[in-house]
Amino acid sequence: NAGVTQTPKFQVLKTGQSMTLQCAQDMNHNSMYWYRQDPGMGLRLIYYSASEGTTDKGEVPNGYNVSRLNKREFSLRLESAAPSQTSVYFCASSGIRGFEQYFGPGTRLTVT
Amino acid sequence: QKEVEQDPGPLSVPEGAIVSLNCTYSNSAFQYFMWYRQYSRKGPELLMYTYSSGNKEDGRFTAQVDKSSKYISLFIRDSQPSDSATYLCAMSAGQAGTALIFGKGTTLSVSS
Repeated sequence: NAGVTQTPKFQVLKTGQSMTLQCAQDMNHNSMYWYRQDPGMGLRLIYYSASEGTTDKGEVPNGYNVSRLNKREFSLRLESAAPSQTSVYFCASSGIRGFEQYFGPGTRLTVT
Repeated sequence: QKEVEQDPGPLSVPEGAIVSLNCTYSNSAFQYFMWYRQYSRKGPELLMYTYSSGNKEDGRFTAQVDKSSKYISLFIRDSQPSDSATYLCAMSAGQAGTALIFGKGTTLSVSS
C-alpha cells in the first residue's frame, strides 16, 4: 500500500519548457488535489478533482492544466514554464472524509 | 485579508514546554478545522480535526475551536524534540470533495 506517489521527485526546467507531474493513489479515494508550497505562502490549491470526470480551479490555477486520467491518477501540466512556477508541488487525495487529505512526498521544481 | 491567518514563527521552546499555536479566519462557513504536521522535506499529514466548535484531546495534543471569535488553537503539552515540525491549520466548509484552505504554517523547534 504505497498511498500517494508522485513523479518525478526533482525537476529543473528552462523557461518556456513544458512538463507533466504525475500523481497516483491506491486508496480508492474519489477526490484528488494539486497544491504548491512556497516559502512564506503556505499551501495553495492549484486544481482539484472532487470525483472522476470532474476538475475545478483552486486559488492559483493560471499557467497550469490538469487531467483526471482515471480514479487513481491525476496529472498536472505546465505548458510553458516560468520562473514564478519554481515551487514544491504536492498531490493529495481524500475519501469520504474530505478534510483528511493524504499527501504525496512532493516534487521540487526549479524553473531557470 | 486572507481567509486564514497564521503566524509563521519560527517558535523555539525547550523540551517539556507547553506550546500554543493559533489561527484566525474570516469565513463563517467553515465547519471543519484541521491541524496538519509537516516534517522537513515531507508532505503534510493530518494531526487532528474538529467539527464545529469545542475541544478535542489526543494524548499530548489539544485542539480548540471558538467559532464566535473565529479562532482556533493547538496546544502541545510536554513538548518533545520529535514535535519539531511545521504545523499548518486548515479549514473547510464541507466534507467530501471540498477544498481545504491552509494557513501559512508555524515552524516549531523543540530543543533538548
